[in-house]
Formats: sequence, structure tokens, C-alpha cells
Amino acid sequence: DAGVIQSPRHEVTEMGQEVTLRCKPISGHNSLFWYRQTMMRGLELLIYFNNNVPIDDSGMPEDRFSAKMPNASFSTLKIQPSEPRDSAVYFCASSFDRYEQYFGPGTRLTVT
Amino acid sequence: DQQVKQNSPSLSVQEGRISILNCDYTNSMFDYFLWYKKYPAEGPTFLISISSIKDKNEDGRFTVFLNKSAKHLSLHIVPSQPGDSAVYFCAGTQGGSEKLVFGKGTKLTVNP
Repeated sequence: DAGVIQSPRHEVTEMGQEVTLRCKPISGHNSLFWYRQTMMRGLELLIYFNNNVPIDDSGMPEDRFSAKMPNASFSTLKIQPSEPRDSAVYFCASSFDRYEQYFGPGTRLTVT
Repeated sequence: DQQVKQNSPSLSVQEGRISILNCDYTNSMFDYFLWYKKYPAEGPTFLISISSIKDKNEDGRFTVFLNKSAKHLSLHIVPSQPGDSAVYFCAGTQGGSEKLVFGKGTKLTVNP
């Protein structure tokens, strides 16, 4: 299995631009998670889906952030407009009815 | 409000010796705990877990101990190997929820 796939691996953008991060979960997994990792806050959950339905989005920092999961094999995390404080590593993870989550390699976002 | 705390940002040990990584939690509703390992430029990978009905779980060189009264868990690695050098995250969850709460991590360096 290819594991969780994230794209792009690196993204550099200017403040005010729209950023879209993409994730393909492991085939057969029914839950998908978006995390953000920063030095200050560590690894924090932004939102998670179960069977393509958003279950908990309480970690989404503000309305500039949105996430979708149109089908079982694809999810996006969008930031519009982006700000320098959004610079972080964003991870996607998936799981199948278990606590153990499988993480992708992450997208390193830099907003200048 | 940090529900999971890893108070040691870093730890250095000699190859062959024991590594002990510590984790404290404040949420008494947590009933399942996990340890993840993360190498640079990769996503975290699941290492070992423990349910609150147990006080110890062992998997090869890795053992996790849980002290519920102290709200403390620890990961022991014996013997430590240079390949164990990574950042280790502790996470907790409650009541069948898939939502994991992570600590900020401890960077372990095993010196040859």
C-alpha cells in the first residue's frame, strides 16, 4: 500500500493567496484527520471526517480554513486568504475503526 | 489548556542503555494512550499503545507503563539504538473517540 499521500510536499505562497492542500487516505480507511504542527502548539487536530462526513471541526482556527471530503479517496484543506501565521507543517492521517492513525509525510507551508 | 504534557523537550542516551520518555495528562476521561515516533521530514508513525485497564504493555524493545493515579505514562526503550533517534509523541483519547490529543514531543538522541 502506498500509504497516505499528501500534495504538495512544500508550498510557498504570499500573504493573501489561497492555498489548497490535498490528501489521499489509505484505501479502505473510513476516517480522515487534518493536523497542524507548529513549534508553539505542537501537533493539533484541525478537523476529522468519518465516512466522508465532518465529525469534529472544533480545531479549525478560523473561517479562513475550510476542509472537504467529496469522496472516500480524497480530501482538501483550504486556507483563504493565507497569512504568515499559517506557516506550519500540515499532516493528513487516516484510520479504519481503530485508534491507530496512519500519517502522511506532511505539507510544509510557508506564507510570506 | 494542555491536556497531554511532555515536559522534557529532549533526551540524550548512550547506545545500549535504557531510554525513558515521560508523559503526563490532565484529562481523567482519557482511557487509551498511544506513542508515536517521528523522523525528520516524515509523518508520525504508530509505535505502541495501552488501554487504561492495563498498567503495562510490551512490544519487543518497547514497553509502555501507565500509572492512572498519577496520570502518568512512560515509554521505555531497552536497549536503545541509534535508529531510535527521533521525536516521540504521546497521545491520549477517551470513550471510543477517534480524536487524539498529542503532547508536544520529546526529541530522543541515541549516541553510538
